[in-house]
Amino acid sequence: AQSVAQPEDQVNVAEGNPLTVKCTYSVSGNPYLFWYVQYPNRGLQFLLKYITGDNLVKGSYGFEAEFNKSQTSFHLKKPSALVSDSALYFCALKAGGYQKVTFGTGTKLQVIP
Amino acid sequence: EAQVTQNPRYLITVTGKKLTVTCSQNMNHEYMSWYRQDPGLGLRQIYYSMNVEVTDKGDVPEGYKVSRKEKRNFPLILESPSPNQTSLYFCASSLAPTNIQYFGAGTRLSVL
Repeated sequence: AQSVAQPEDQVNVAEGNPLTVKCTYSVSGNPYLFWYVQYPNRGLQFLLKYITGDNLVKGSYGFEAEFNKSQTSFHLKKPSALVSDSALYFCALKAGGYQKVTFGTGTKLQVIP
Repeated sequence: EAQVTQNPRYLITVTGKKLTVTCSQNMNHEYMSWYRQDPGLGLRQIYYSMNVEVTDKGDVPEGYKVSRKEKRNFPLILESPSPNQTSLYFCASSLAPTNIQYFGAGTRLSVL
């Protein structure tokens, strides 16, 4: 069985400060890891992914994520938060070669002006 | 414009009245999935399809049916809806090898 944990329901950060949204996973085999963002009343949008290669992955809107195999983590980061980054963020996992996808429960990011 | 289109966007129905939520993508993607989103539970995969006539169960398939007769369409069928199927539903499509999913705008279903 595969699973994804997002331990924080909400993260508050001041505008201009660095932000981190945490994600840990469990899977047999090679993990394919993704971050998606959901703005109010919208579908999910892709931010970035890790499949193989460099552990530091850069994505859209200045976001990046670090894949840590020993800690089974894939935390989302941004050096300087914007108010417009306020949204719901989901970490997702699939095992390589399969199409079953598991999402975390989501983390609401609130950037305070 | 590349997109995944779901219809209807909003639906209120009564217990036991069969309904279908349609999903169509114009990107020629092989893979399509249905998810439901519930507060505190995130997104849970209902069914997915690897190609025409190839479907498989996700984590919460009970009470749902799907079909994939054409590559672009992947309808979700609720034969006898119940109140516990009140939720926000998303369709998504993706293309190997990127595996990036493109989501529809969602269908908010209320079963009374």
